[in-house]
Amino acid sequence: AQKITQTQPGMFVQEKEAVTLDCTYDTSDPSYGLFWYKQPSSGEMIFLIYQGSYDQQNATEGRYSLNFQKARKSANLVISASQLGDSAMYFCAMREDTNAGKSTFGDGTTLTVKP
Amino acid sequence: GAVVSQHPSRVICKSGTSVKIECRSLDFQATTMFWYRQFPKKSLMLMATSNEGSKATYEQGVEKDKFLINHASLTLSTLTVTSAHPEDSSFYICSAREGRGTDTQYFGPGTRLTVL
Repeated sequence: AQKITQTQPGMFVQEKEAVTLDCTYDTSDPSYGLFWYKQPSSGEMIFLIYQGSYDQQNATEGRYSLNFQKARKSANLVISASQLGDSAMYFCAMREDTNAGKSTFGDGTTLTVKP
Repeated sequence: GAVVSQHPSRVICKSGTSVKIECRSLDFQATTMFWYRQFPKKSLMLMATSNEGSKATYEQGVEKDKFLINHASLTLSTLTVTSAHPEDSSFYICSAREGRGTDTQYFGPGTRLTVL
């Protein structure tokens, strides 16, 4: 079974609107971390936000927030007030403590922000 | 956030030659470094995990004799693609983890390898 599932290959959003990128995960490890990364066309991977499995509050970083629903095993990324510069590929990743600290990445979602 | 550099950013080489890619953590000591390979518009595929001073752990299906990894210090890891062939052409990305707090991985800018 795939450990990280991103069901949206591509998404479009109007500038200044909010958008949600979906991510579901599968693990039996009680301790894990969830990450979102942005990869613009230049190729660099930019860390956006982190959520620990024991964190009670949803993580927020500026315009990014993570909608963590542990029972549903989902960790959706919400980008508020989209900007043209947000157009990029977005990857959800999970690190399991029992997996030697390695991270598993989803297939990614390409976000296009329209002016 | 922490900075990871990667060199070179782009390399073109002839088939049969070896190519070395360097990954450095600039402002922190990386207990662990990871090497990924990424095909166009695809996800990152983990190739190997390296810890300073010990042998790298390779993922299933990755040829350790072809992709040599050396993690000589807490700030430097190198990936050498030996006897490169056109099918080795890809985008190679390293990441480094500090080993504290969130254990966030910080990524290098990537190296685009083209083997002619």
